Order: sequence, then structure tokens, then C-alpha cells
Amino acid sequence: DVKVTQSSRYLVKRTGEKVFLECVQDMDHENMFWYRQDPGLGLRLIYFSYDVKMKEKGDIPEGYSVSREKKERFSLILESASTNQTSMYLCASKAKTYEQYFGPGTRLTVT
Amino acid sequence: QKEVEQNSGPLSVPEGAIASLNCTYSDRVSQSFFWYRQYSGKSPELIMSIYSNGDKEDGRFTAQLNKASQYVSLLIRDSQPSDSATYLCAVNTGSNYQLIWGAGTKLIIKP
Repeated sequence: DVKVTQSSRYLVKRTGEKVFLECVQDMDHENMFWYRQDPGLGLRLIYFSYDVKMKEKGDIPEGYSVSREKKERFSLILESASTNQTSMYLCASKAKTYEQYFGPGTRLTVT
Repeated sequence: QKEVEQNSGPLSVPEGAIASLNCTYSDRVSQSFFWYRQYSGKSPELIMSIYSNGDKEDGRFTAQLNKASQYVSLLIRDSQPSDSATYLCAVNTGSNYQLIWGAGTKLIIKP
């Protein structure tokens, strides 16, 4: 079974803080993704990575950056957290046959 | 703009009946199609994938694909209260990486 883990289930941060969200997969997948999910807006792609040190912007990259130094780990960074970044953050890992497998999610609240 | 459309619901179905969920997509070159189930507060979980025209059955779930009409559907037989969730349709349109996501249909199974 594919296993995708995320560093925190719940996180509360203050406006202006730098926030790190980590994701680890154990299936040697090359492609990994970060989404955010908000009520009424569905899943929106922030960034994805197709190989170590390689990344591409998704639909809503503003205010975020990513890091992929090792194949199994993909980090999302909020450079200066703002209240409009309060959301559920979902990491996914992609198999060769295109299906994506999700981690449990991190519910981030920025106050 | 490549799109995946789903009726947001809620779709209310009596326990034991067949629940039918539909999804249409705009890009004719779409190749791979996925159904995910998402319980409230949880991450999406892959339940079905389908790649060729016709039906694919897995237990109580049947995915149906009609590429000529550009729709994919999910049937849930003998619906149970535990099937109450939001169902997301996702489509790979030939990109090596990304899936295009529908907004999801909320399904409620009434005992």
C-alpha cells in the first residue's frame, strides 16, 4: 500500500510567521503535489515536483514555495503566513498510472 | 480551459438503493479517469480508476466511461450510510503529471 504522511494534522500559526509543511511518501514515486482545499473552491494545485530539485507552479503559487531535496520528501513553505492561507493542505504522490494518493492533510489556521 | 463538471448535490439516496454520480469533462484527449471518496475533514481516497470505454466493477462500485459523450459515472449498489461522503471525479488529459479535478458531489445515504 502507498503511504503518504504529513508532518502535522493541525497547525496554528500567527500572521507573518514562516511555516513549513512536510510530506513523505514511501513508494519511490517521482511526482509529488501540494494542494489546498477550501469549501466551495475544491482542490487547487499550489506546486508540484516531477523529480528531485525540480518543481513547477500550479494554479495558485503566490505566497508559497516548495523544496524537494530527496525523492521521498516534498515540503511546502509559507514565507510569511497570512489569514487568507488558512486552509486544508493536502499532499499527494503520483503513481506511473496517473492516480494520486493523498496524505491525511494538515488543517492550518493563521491568526 | 480544461474542465471537469460535477453536480454539487447534495444527492440524497435511500439506504439499499443505487446511487448514481456523474461527471463530464471537456478535453477529448482525456485518457485516465478516477473517482475519489472524501469524508468530511479527511483527505480524498481513491476508490476507482477506469481507462477504457465500458464498465468496470469493484465490489459494490461500478465505474462507467463513455468517451464519445465525454462522461464518466460511478454507481454504488446497495448504498450504505457509510457511503455518505463527497465524491470527486478526476481526469488526466494527457499531461504527464496533473489531474483536473471536479468540485465534487455530496452524497447522503438516508437510513
